[in-house]
Amino acid sequence: DQQVKQNSPSLSVQEGRISILNCDYTNSMFDYFLWYKKYPAEGPTFLISISSIKDKNEDGRFTVFLNKSAKHLSLHIVPSQPGDSAVYFCAAKIQGAQKLVFGQGTRLTINP
Amino acid sequence: DSGVTQTPKHLITATGQRVTLRCSPRSGDLSVYWYQQSLDQGLQFLIQYYNGEERAKGNILERFSAQQFPDLHSELNLSSLELGDSALYFCASSPQSGGQETQYFGPGTRLLVL
Repeated sequence: DQQVKQNSPSLSVQEGRISILNCDYTNSMFDYFLWYKKYPAEGPTFLISISSIKDKNEDGRFTVFLNKSAKHLSLHIVPSQPGDSAVYFCAAKIQGAQKLVFGQGTRLTINP
Repeated sequence: DSGVTQTPKHLITATGQRVTLRCSPRSGDLSVYWYQQSLDQGLQFLIQYYNGEERAKGNILERFSAQQFPDLHSELNLSSLELGDSALYFCASSPQSGGQETQYFGPGTRLLVL
């Protein structure tokens, strides 16, 4: 039972354009969502998070949008840079619980 | 650099053997989490320790065990290893436990069981 889904295994975007990564979840008890970036041979690096009481959070080039009614969140990267090429994981947490539930990841490639 | 350290970076061993993976959390963090990432899989939660005590358990096999020591470093012990245990093992840490906290990940240990 995959509670967090990233349906696009890969995404290719031109440098300077917007990258939009999507994530869907099924458990309405999730109240905290995070995005991580992962380079090969490295651990996941925290990017940005959002609480379920918000619908948008912004940090520099990164913005996360949360649509609770649709159980959907997205990560926008503007403008996209070559260094953004990595695998992006969406993760979610149930209030009071300890573990993060991860999606399968989306490989983002930024083309020059 | 997240501040979480893991050793060793790579480990190659044979089926039936036992290995120990080590993790040091960020300075001041009391919680340590262990995750497994197998080929083509997302990260799967194994177990969490908070200030020396087991706090939560996930999909951890009985052959696997962990502990957190008084200096807050943690070890994950994998025994009677099977080919399917080959994976990346990540440790993460956070300041407390259970709240809306970010978990910061170490670089991982790549385990290959031959």
